[in-house]
Amino acid sequence: GAVVSQHPSWVICKSGTSVKIECRSLDFQATTMFWYRQFPKQSLMLMATSNEGSKATYEQGVEKDKFLINHASLTLSTLTVTSAHPEDSSFYICSARPPGVGDTQYFGPGTRLTVL
Amino acid sequence: RKEVEQDPGPFNVPEGATVAFNCTYSNSASQSFFWYRQDCRKEPKLLMSVYSSGNEDGRFTAQLNRASQYISLLIRDSKLSDSATYLCVVNSANAGKSTFGDGTTLTVKP
Repeated sequence: GAVVSQHPSWVICKSGTSVKIECRSLDFQATTMFWYRQFPKQSLMLMATSNEGSKATYEQGVEKDKFLINHASLTLSTLTVTSAHPEDSSFYICSARPPGVGDTQYFGPGTRLTVL
Repeated sequence: RKEVEQDPGPFNVPEGATVAFNCTYSNSASQSFFWYRQDCRKEPKLLMSVYSSGNEDGRFTAQLNRASQYISLLIRDSKLSDSATYLCVVNSANAGKSTFGDGTTLTVKP
């Protein structure tokens, strides 16, 4: 199947710092990628849809100024958590839909963020 | 009411058992449906798509009932390696957004 990578796989940072997470489609071009967040024992919640060459579409309740998304190329989207706080600690997962497979999406391995 | 609801679980079954999960969705215009499995602290991995005609992949059978707006997953001859959380995923028609159920946890015991 299609491969989506994320980097870093885990990060620990101090409160107030910014953290950038990269999501790459390794063997296909992705005009659209999705960013999710998952808290322990909860399901994935869509944060935003990242569109190559244009602004991301954020879900209700997600602060666009806090979670900056940049989709500068067809294979890379980045999520920057600005001024991170302990409540931002979560599992962040990106996904993409390869062309030709309809609505099937493939997930990156996720980034576990811990804010101290 | 949540858009996608799953059996709360957990399901604890012995090896070799048959287990079934159900999932209901509220948006009648939903377009496509999937089952993913998620292992602890890992990303979700596609298990199978779900079609109205029903589809089978080895020990796994998925069914979609559009009239009643529910999806099911049947696992036969459970293996220890089937232990995971199973996520029901429903995609909307227009934006193609995915909505995830909260997941059902399955533990298969020797």
